[in-house]
Amino acid sequence: AQSVAQPEDQVNVAEGNPLTVKCTYSVSGNPYLFWYVQYPNRGLQFLLKYITGDNLVKGSYGFEAEFNKSQTSFHLKKPSALVSDSALYFCAVRDGGATNKLIFGTGTLLAVQP
Amino acid sequence: SQTIHQWPATLVQPVGSPLSLECTVEGTSNPNLYWYRQAAGRGLQLLFYSVGIGQISSEVPQNLSASRPQDRQFILSSKKLLLSDSGFYLCAWSGTDYMGAFFGQGTRLTVV
Repeated sequence: AQSVAQPEDQVNVAEGNPLTVKCTYSVSGNPYLFWYVQYPNRGLQFLLKYITGDNLVKGSYGFEAEFNKSQTSFHLKKPSALVSDSALYFCAVRDGGATNKLIFGTGTLLAVQP
Repeated sequence: SQTIHQWPATLVQPVGSPLSLECTVEGTSNPNLYWYRQAAGRGLQLLFYSVGIGQISSEVPQNLSASRPQDRQFILSSKKLLLSDSGFYLCAWSGTDYMGAFFGQGTRLTVV
C-alpha cells in the first residue's frame, strides 16, 4: 500500500533562514507526490506536485521540493522563511487506481520565529 | 476555473441530532469527490469517496453516511450525531488526471 511519513511533528526556523520539511514515501510503481499547506481553520491549499520529470519541483509561495528516488524522499524547501509561512504542512501520495485518492502524512507544524 | 464550496463553516449540534453537510463543485464535470475528517487539528482521515453519481465508497466504519445525488454535489449525513463525530470536515475533488485534490474551506463541527 502507498504511504508517506513525516518524521517531524514540528519544525522551528528563524525568519530569513532556509527551511526544510521532510517527507519519505513508500509506493509500488511510480510515485505521484504532493505537498499541501493548511492555515488554522482553513482547508488545505495545494503547493506543488511531482509526477515525472525534473527532480526539483517549484510550487507556490516560493516553495520547492526535491524528489529523491534513491532515498525515497520528497522534502519541501524554501530558501528564506517568512513568518507568514507558519502553518501545518502535509505530504501526500496518490493511491493507485481510478479513484485518485490521496494518502496523507500526519503533518508537520512549521513555526517561523521573527 | 474550478471552485469548490462547502457549508456551513461552523456548526454546533446536540448529541442525537441529524447532520447534513453539503459540498458542491463548479467548473468541472464528473469529478472524484471526497470527504475527509481532521481530528485534533492534525491527521486527515478519508471517510468517503465517490467516482460518480450514486457511487459511494466508505473507507472506515462509522456513524456517518455520504450521498452524491448530482454530479457535482456531495453530502455528508448522520441520523444521530455522537460526541465523537466532532471534528473538522473537509470536502475535496479531483479530476481523472494527476493534478491532486482540491479542498473546500472545511466545516468545524462541534457535537455537544
